[in-house]
Order: sequence, then C-alpha cells, then structure tokens
Amino acid sequence: GENVEQHPSTLSVQEGDSAVIKCTYSDSASNYFPWYKQELGKRPQLIIDIRSNVGEKKDQRIAVTLNKTAKHFSLHITETQPEDSAVYFCALSGYGNKLVFGAGTILRVKS
Amino acid sequence: DAGVIQSPRHEVTEMGQEVTLRCKPISGHNSLFWYRQTMMRGLELLIYFNNNVPIDDSGMPEDRFSAKMPNASFSTLKIQPSEPRDSAVYFCASSILAGGPYNEQFFGPGTRLTVL
Repeated sequence: GENVEQHPSTLSVQEGDSAVIKCTYSDSASNYFPWYKQELGKRPQLIIDIRSNVGEKKDQRIAVTLNKTAKHFSLHITETQPEDSAVYFCALSGYGNKLVFGAGTILRVKS
Repeated sequence: DAGVIQSPRHEVTEMGQEVTLRCKPISGHNSLFWYRQTMMRGLELLIYFNNNVPIDDSGMPEDRFSAKMPNASFSTLKIQPSEPRDSAVYFCASSILAGGPYNEQFFGPGTRLTVL
C-alpha cells in the first residue's frame, strides 16, 4: 500500500534563509503529490501540488520538485518569513482520491 | 462559499458516552473524508465517501466508530462508547470527484474532542 516518510520532523531557520522538506515513498503507482500547511490551531490548507508528469512546479517563494525514479519529492521555501512558521505535511495519492499524509514537519522561522 | 462546516467545534464528554460529530461539505463536492489528528499518530484518514457511498473505511479504528452520509450535504461520525484515547481533533474534508481524481481536499475547522 501507499506509505510516505517525511523529514525532518522539525526545522528551524533564520528569517530570509531557505527551508527544504523531503518526503520519500515506496509505491511507484503514486502520481499526485500535494503539500499542506497547518498553522497552530487551524485546519490544513493546500499550498502547492505536483503531478507525476511534471518534475518541478513553482509558486512565488514556494516550489516542489519530484523525482519519480528515486521516489522522493521535496518542498522548497525561499526567503522564509515568520508567517511561514507552521506544520507542513506532504501527501500522496495513487488510487482514487484518497490521500496518505506524511507525519509533518514543524517549521520555525526565527526573526 | 461557507467552506466545509463542522459541528460542534469543541466537545468534552465522559468515558462511555456517545459522541456524534457532524459535517457539511462544500456544495457541489461529491467526495467527503473524515480524518483524526493526534500528536502521536499524526493525520489519519478514517473513512471516505464518494457520491454518499463509503469507499474505504479501513482507517476506522474499531467497531465503536461508525460514519454515515445520508445525503450529499451531510455526514456524521459517531463514537459509541467513547474512550479517553479517542481524544483528538477530527477533521472533515471535501473535494470534487470529476474527471481526474486528483483534486484539492478542503478541510473544515475541525472538532476538538476531549473524553474524560
């Protein structure tokens, strides 16, 4: 079945630096890879997603890269700001519209 | 658009009591998901429905948990009897199942359940 491992579990960066979170998976049938951001006490919200026919996608300061051969995908946040502090979840789907979530990464941006 | 609506937002109950969580998906969405979030286990999918039909309930922890979707605009998650280990935030999410299956899931605000 689908499974996803997410690293690191916590990440602390200085404001303005970049942050990278990586997820690895085992099921080669996985073909949709969204990233969700959850602020403290709030609901998870989609920030970016990528499909298996694309290697990279950017949206302003956020980018996601996918390596299907190596079965990993990563979230890149550049020029981090204090409001980027949150928990970030990777997820994947390969069968229907069911999502499997990673364990989450707590990102702290220090100002 | 009001988004996904969940009620109650907070529930405190005693062990052994029945708990019913409610969800109204976004109008026009035909997939509905129930998740449970805890520090220890993260975000777990409990069950999901497509067009009001349960598709996968493999995440439901045990027979004390049941979920229904009697129509396209309402779903319930029931725990009977409740136990302290059921304490968690329960999220409902909805999405559109149309054409390709990879559509954004929109989460509700969650119900924080505390079982004493």
